[in-house]
Amino acid sequence: ETGVTQSPTHLIKTRGQQVTLRCSSQSGHNTVSWYQQALGQGPQFIFQYYREEENGRGNFPPRFSGLQFPNYSSELNVNALELDDSALYLCASSPPGAGANVLTFGAGSRLTVL
Amino acid sequence: GNSVTQMEGPVTLSEEAFLTINCTYTATGYPSLFWYVQYPGEGLQLLLKATKADDKGSNKGFEATYRKETTSFHLEKGSVQVSDSAVYFCALSDRNRGSTLGRLYFGRGTQLTVWP
Repeated sequence: ETGVTQSPTHLIKTRGQQVTLRCSSQSGHNTVSWYQQALGQGPQFIFQYYREEENGRGNFPPRFSGLQFPNYSSELNVNALELDDSALYLCASSPPGAGANVLTFGAGSRLTVL
Repeated sequence: GNSVTQMEGPVTLSEEAFLTINCTYTATGYPSLFWYVQYPGEGLQLLLKATKADDKGSNKGFEATYRKETTSFHLEKGSVQVSDSAVYFCALSDRNRGSTLGRLYFGRGTQLTVWP
């Protein structure tokens, strides 16, 4: 098992810019979820992708969008960055039918917005 | 709605001390409950889980019992080690939304530091 890998590990952007974060799912996992973890807080669910379509979304504005590719890798895109978008972004994958009962998390991408 | 409340930290203990981290929840329906651990610079790791009332999850000496009557899922360990120093998160999933949805509701986390 290779686990879930995310890139980049750290990045710095300025307000108004756009960012793309990448995630490679664990082998055999076909569902990917993204979470935002602000400093000192628990992770907050952004959305989930299954079969290349979004099939669940938390309380995040449309400027947060994603993609899932046929190989189950995924991207998180954030447009018009705001200072409050500074956080650790976590990707998690799960095998078919397991849902939240089996989630494997990556180490995250830490985004700083100046 | 769904939410998790866990005791605020930081928690500082000496090695071999007894650990309790309190967690209570509010949920619609019958959630599964989880404890995750986050070591510095690493992602979240599942520590243990319980999927129905009165189930006890256990792993690496940690235990938690799903108490429906008190809506609680407190984490305990009889003798902590320095290597247990990490942030611990209590979480729930709402099974009413379908088993394929990978959505967890997390508490704010409790920082545990164990001194030798």
